[in-house]
Parts: sequence; structure tokens; C-alpha cells
Amino acid sequence: DGGITQSPKYLFRKEGQNVTLSCEQNLNHDAMYWYRQDPGQGLRLIYYSQIVNDFQKGDIAEGYSVSREKKESFPLTVTSAQKNPTAFYLCASSLGQGGEQPQHFGDGTRLSIL
Amino acid sequence: GESVGLHLPTLSVQEGDNSIINCAYSNSASDYFIWYKQESGKGPQFIIDIRSNMDKRQGQRVTVLLNKTVKHLSLQIAATQPGDSAVYFCAENRNSGYSTLTFGKGTMLLVSP
Repeated sequence: DGGITQSPKYLFRKEGQNVTLSCEQNLNHDAMYWYRQDPGQGLRLIYYSQIVNDFQKGDIAEGYSVSREKKESFPLTVTSAQKNPTAFYLCASSLGQGGEQPQHFGDGTRLSIL
Repeated sequence: GESVGLHLPTLSVQEGDNSIINCAYSNSASDYFIWYKQESGKGPQFIIDIRSNMDKRQGQRVTVLLNKTVKHLSLQIAATQPGDSAVYFCAENRNSGYSTLTFGKGTMLLVSP
């Protein structure tokens, strides 16, 4: 089945550690996105990529980094510079660029601090 | 696990009732809107979308209404079922700055059998 796969489902980070969240899609979508979701809040955009080897910062990019070396993959690294990383992280993809296409989501990674 | 629905507005209905979930948007330039459903511990699931050149669109058991005059979007769910219990949120393309979707905070729908 086509879809978006995020792994791991749960992740724990130690102080000063960088961790990487995986996102893979087999929908042949050009655009991919990373969001952060906190309880009672809407999704906030961290980074997005409209094409391979290109990505842009979203609203809350500080403390995060991404790469887009392959169309199918858009990993997110939560660096030690992100002081409040505990959240539910969602990856999404869309067929075309811009905001006039529905975004399809994975089932998220929940990151917690040890 | 921790719920994404904490501190959200909640709509409680009985099974079989019709549900109406509302969303206000602020940007009159927004031209595309989506409703998503999110169950606990899962990612948002696309329900229905509508473009600004329409004021109504129907799907299976769901209808989205768009009132551009008052910048209001609503999702109507007919014959609500316990499986409809989830957080529902709207998203809009504000058509300004970088072109991507902006998401609302959501409404929790609780359906009692």
C-alpha cells in the first residue's frame, strides 16, 4: 500500500544528544513536510522540501535540521540546540508544491526527554 | 499516551446525531481549505477539501460549507458514529509568504453510543 512511514514510533533523547526521525514515502510525492504538534495546539511547520536537494525553514526551524537526498526520504534531526524537544512529530507529503494540495500524513513519532 | 486533544474545545453528541464542527479563518486571501480527522496517537487523516470558488462540497456522510463573507468554515457529519470520535481541525492555504498550509488548533468530537 502507498503511504508515509515514520519511525520510530517512540524516541527518547538524552541531554546533549542529537536524534534523527525517519520519514519515508512511496507516493511519488514531490513535496514533504515536518510538523511539530504540542497538546492543545495546531501543527507548526518546522521544515519543508518542494524538491530533492532543496528545503526551506518553516516557522520553528531553530534547533532542527533536515536533508532531502532522495525523493522518498526526508529525515529530521532534533539537535541538542532544541531545548524543548518533547512533542509529537508529524511528517507529511503532497503531490505538488505549494498549499493547494492536500497533505498526507504519517502516524508520527513521539519524542521525549530522558 | 498523551493526547493531542488536551485543552481543546469539545463537542459531545449522541450516536446518530448530526455534528457540526466550526472553524474561523483570518485571511481573506486564503483560497483552499481542508478538514482533517486525527485519532489519538495517529497522524491526521484527510477528510474533505474545498476551494474558495465553491461554498459547499459533499462527501460520504460529510459536508463542508465555506462562508467567505464571515471567513467561516464548517464540517457537518451526518449520523455520527462512535468511530467518528477524534480531533478535527481545519487547514487553509493563506496564499501568502511561503505557500503551504496553516492548521487550526482543532475540536474534539466525542460520540456517545
